Amino acid sequence: GAGVSQSPSNKVTEKGKDVELRCDPISGHTALYWYRQSLGQGLEFLIYFQGNSAPDKSGLPSDRFSAERTGGSVSTLTIQRTQQEDSAVYLCASSWGPGWSGELFFGEGSRLTVL
Amino acid sequence: DAKTTQPPSMDCAEGRAANLPCNHSTISGNEYVYWYRQIHSQGPQYIIHGLKNNETNEMASLIITEDRKSSTLILPHATLRDTAVYYCIVLGNQFYFGTGTSLTVIP
Repeated sequence: GAGVSQSPSNKVTEKGKDVELRCDPISGHTALYWYRQSLGQGLEFLIYFQGNSAPDKSGLPSDRFSAERTGGSVSTLTIQRTQQEDSAVYLCASSWGPGWSGELFFGEGSRLTVL
Repeated sequence: DAKTTQPPSMDCAEGRAANLPCNHSTISGNEYVYWYRQIHSQGPQYIIHGLKNNETNEMASLIITEDRKSSTLILPHATLRDTAVYYCIVLGNQFYFGTGTSLTVIP
């Protein structure tokens, strides 16, 4: 596709359930980022993938959060045993990678609501 | 990664220039300054970026001080559609977004 694609666009789940959010970056982009944005707040960095390097997981808020990137392309963010405070918009972005000083391309986000 | 400091909110009259400041006093010599904006319920949108020299594109101008410790984003003729949250970011290893400046363009 032409841009970063995220799915689902909206997800409502019950507290304690697991959820998976998917990000399909722009073809050829080696860098992939996940951010979280709670209502009225700024973007909170979660995790960063760059090529085959070990991901930077320094932003993950707890061990209930994990992410993987298969084949250097599609990424899945998994939240286990969801809590109400996990409710937020989860944004994915991609770029060409290290040495690239240009634009970071964002998807439209996945809005997660935990009841 | 260098931190940035921005005022939480600003107002600007429609048609006037909007000048959004950003402090990044711990910036390193090879770190770029980026500006993004986020209009309600949308993903962030790239505006402009620069290293040392002032930059201009169709959306905005970026003025970086000689010591690189601060910068200003200029929207030359603000419109109502420019109402958004504006993020100043110093690119180290990752893009860290702060809380940005909420710009309101007033008719």
